[in-house]
Amino acid sequence: QSALTQPRSVSGSPGQSVTISCTGTSTDVGGYNYVSWYQQHPGKAPKLIIYDVIKRPSGVPDRFSGSKSGNTASLTISGLQAEDEADYYCCSYAGNYTAVFGGGSQLTVL
Amino acid sequence: EVQLLESGGGLVQPGGSLRLSCTASGFTSSNYAMNWVRQAPGKGLEWVSVISGSGDSTYYAGTVKGRFTISRDNSKNTLYLQMNSLRAEDTAVYYCAKSSYDFWSGYYTFNNWGQGTLVTVSS
Repeated sequence: QSALTQPRSVSGSPGQSVTISCTGTSTDVGGYNYVSWYQQHPGKAPKLIIYDVIKRPSGVPDRFSGSKSGNTASLTISGLQAEDEADYYCCSYAGNYTAVFGGGSQLTVL
Repeated sequence: EVQLLESGGGLVQPGGSLRLSCTASGFTSSNYAMNWVRQAPGKGLEWVSVISGSGDSTYYAGTVKGRFTISRDNSKNTLYLQMNSLRAEDTAVYYCAKSSYDFWSGYYTFNNWGQGTLVTVSS
C-alpha cells in the first residue's frame, strides 16, 4: 500500500488560510469517507483534528476544516496562528482492514 | 482523562525480538479497538496493526504481517505488540493509539495517543 501524497511543505502568514491536500486512489481516499487528519508538534505525539473527512473532535477550533473531492482530501486552516506551525498527516481507510497515512506536510507560519 | 503509556522499547539486534506494552487508563478498554502506529526517525507515520475490543479480530500492515503479533489483556488494561525477526527498517518510535469505537469503520480514527517508545534495531 503506497502512502498518500501530501505536499512536503506549506506556509502562510498569521491570519491567512492554508490548504493541505492529500491524494490517494479510489481504493482508499476516494472509496471511503474515513479520512482523518493529525497535527504533530516536534517531539510530541500526534493529535486528531479531523475525522470522517469533515468532523471535528470536541476542543478542536473551528478554524480547522476538512473536505474531499474524488481521490483528494483537504485540510484547511483559516486564521493561521503561530501555534499552528506543526506537521500534518492525513490517514485513510485503505480496504482489507488496513489504513494508510500520507507522507506528512510541514506547515510554517511566516 | 484517557492516558496511554507505552513501554518495552530499546536496542535489539537484527533478527531479534521485543515485546511492547501499552497501559491504558481513563476508559473501559474492552469497548475500544486499539492500534499500534510507528514513526521512523525523521519520517512520517505508518499504521502497523489494530485489535478489536474483545481481542478476537486482528489486522496488520503488509510490512509486519507474519512477524508482529498484536494482543491485549483487558483485565490489565494493557495492549501488547510482540515483534519478531526485527529488521533495521523497523527502527521507529512506536505509539499505541485508541480507536474511535469498536467497529471496523471506527478502527482507523486514532482519538488518543501515547507518548511512544523507541525501538532501535541495530548490530
